[in-house]
Amino acid sequence: SQQGEEDPQALSIQEGENATMNCSYKTSINNLQWYRQNSGRGLVHLILIRSNEREKHSGRLRVTLDTSKKSSSLLITASRAADTASYFCATANYGGATNKLIFGTGTLLAVQP
Amino acid sequence: DAGITQSPRHKVTETGTPVTLRCHQTENHRYMYWYRQDPGHGLRLIHYSYGVKDTDKGEVSDGYSVSRSKTEDFLLTLESATSSQTSVYFCAISAGEGNSPLHFGNGTRLTVT
Repeated sequence: SQQGEEDPQALSIQEGENATMNCSYKTSINNLQWYRQNSGRGLVHLILIRSNEREKHSGRLRVTLDTSKKSSSLLITASRAADTASYFCATANYGGATNKLIFGTGTLLAVQP
Repeated sequence: DAGITQSPRHKVTETGTPVTLRCHQTENHRYMYWYRQDPGHGLRLIHYSYGVKDTDKGEVSDGYSVSRSKTEDFLLTLESATSSQTSVYFCAISAGEGNSPLHFGNGTRLTVT
């Protein structure tokens, strides 16, 4: 069964706008990771946030984590057409083999030029 | 693509035939994974390896077997392919436990007719 569920399933915005994607999960985690997938390619790691962290930044990416609500959000600021891709959250579960990641179903982001 | 090569990139096979997919890495990473990606399901873990000859099942392991005789190679075998195994298969590698991200290959598109 899927651990993470992303919301929305699809998002279309204009270039320059911000894009926010959300991820909810079910069990306690060690960390949560976000990945990006361009069409026809493998996933690329974007950012990792540990369970004891609440916010993390990397360039135009901002990730928040709320372990009390079992949710995370990924914000992409000043979006570009090149940001068009699918975005997945993945969790490494507490107490399990932390090298096993469970992925959500993804958010398809379309950035219109 | 972090030194990961999947072969073949595309394959069409008939129901009931055996199929082997290969993942080769040049990073000397300890952990290797096989995921399948299907619409509406995201990525699901099939099997993973935490060392030479050390493997374990993922959440969708039925109908699949794996082998890892060398650090650099991780083979996924469908003993008798079924139409439900039509999917895109991704190999991933990771340097270690805990907070290590996964690096993905570009996938193998398998069609079982």
